[in-house]
Amino acid sequence: SQQGEEDPQALSIQEGENATMNCSYKTSINNLQWYRQNSGRGLVHLILIRSNEREKHSGRLRVTLDTSKKSSSLLITASRAADTASYFCATDGTGGYNKLIFGAGTRLAVHP
Amino acid sequence: NAGVTQTPKFQVLKTGQSMTLQCAQDMNHNSMYWYRQDPGMGLRLIYYSASEGTTDKGEVPNGYNVSRLNKREFSLRLESAAPSQTSVYFCASTPTSASKTQYFGPGTRLLVL
Repeated sequence: SQQGEEDPQALSIQEGENATMNCSYKTSINNLQWYRQNSGRGLVHLILIRSNEREKHSGRLRVTLDTSKKSSSLLITASRAADTASYFCATDGTGGYNKLIFGAGTRLAVHP
Repeated sequence: NAGVTQTPKFQVLKTGQSMTLQCAQDMNHNSMYWYRQDPGMGLRLIYYSASEGTTDKGEVPNGYNVSRLNKREFSLRLESAAPSQTSVYFCASTPTSASKTQYFGPGTRLLVL
């Protein structure tokens, strides 16, 4: 069963606009991560936020985490065509080891 | 550093055929993982290896076997392929089993007819 679910499933914006993607999860977590996947490629880690953090920044990325609502958001500011990709949230599941549970992803298209 | 490499990039199989997907990493990571990615779904863990010499089942292990050949290599075998195994397969690695950031290979696209 999937832990994380992204919303929206697809997002189409113009260059320069901001893109916001949301992730909801079902059970308590230790960490939440966001990954990017360019078409036909593997996933690339973007950012990790711990359960005791509320907000984290990395360049044009801003991630928030609301553990009371079991949700996270990824904001990409001043988007570029190169940001076109699918974005996945991943939470650390239960059962030990580093078992990540991924959502279905948000497909972002940034048009020049 | 090549990171995580996977072979082949693309494969077509007939139902009942067998094949092995290869994965290697040159980052001296201890832990390695195999996922499958299906349309409209997130990645699902098939098997993982916390360290050399150990393997454990993930969420969807049925129909697959794995071998942690050495610290660098972790292979995934389909003994008798089924159309339901048509998917994109990703290998990933982490420095240790406690590390959170996973490093992914480029994937193997498998089509079972």
